[in-house]
Amino acid sequence: AQKITQTQPGMFVQEKEAVTLDCTYDTSDPSYGLFWYKQPSSGEMIFLIYQGSYDQQNATEGRYSLNFQKARKSANLVISASQLGDSAMYFCAMREGLGSNYQLIWGAGTKLIIKP
Amino acid sequence: GAGVSQTPSNKVTEKGKYVELRCDPISGHTALYWYRQSLGQGPEFLIYFQGTGAADDSGLPNDRFFAVRPEGSVSTLKIQRTERGDSAVYLCASSPEGIVRETQYFGPGTRLLVL
Repeated sequence: AQKITQTQPGMFVQEKEAVTLDCTYDTSDPSYGLFWYKQPSSGEMIFLIYQGSYDQQNATEGRYSLNFQKARKSANLVISASQLGDSAMYFCAMREGLGSNYQLIWGAGTKLIIKP
Repeated sequence: GAGVSQTPSNKVTEKGKYVELRCDPISGHTALYWYRQSLGQGPEFLIYFQGTGAADDSGLPNDRFFAVRPEGSVSTLKIQRTERGDSAVYLCASSPEGIVRETQYFGPGTRLLVL
């Protein structure tokens, strides 16, 4: 079974609109971390935001916020006031466990295109 | 620069050849990770180093793949007898200690093409 599912292969959004990128995850471990990364066409992975499974509040970083619904096992990324420079691939990733499991497990990504 | 660097940025080789991909992590980061990203997919974990030792190499696809980090800083991913299916972008990342909450910082990747 997929551990990280991103159901939107591609999205077109008008500039200045808000956009929500979906991510659902599957784990039986009570301790885990969820990450969102942006990958522009240049190829480098850029960290955006992190949510820990025990964090009480939804994470926010500037225009990025994470809509964390633990019971639903979803961790959607919300980008407010989208900009042309937001056009990129966006990946959701998870890390399980308190220290014995070091790898990030990745979704297939969503290609976001911001229209002027 | 202060970020993770990878060399070469592009590598074209012939089937059956040996290649080495280098990663220079952020100074002071003890944790180093290698991932492989095929076209149109998310990255797949290959190996994780804590210091000089490979703490988890469960993602290496077969024994043609090997990685070292002899002094706990620079790492080299080595691929023997390359196959066309090895063509991908190889990403390296580092983090300060390797704990769950830590952000992994990625390099620009090495694009490997096996002809």
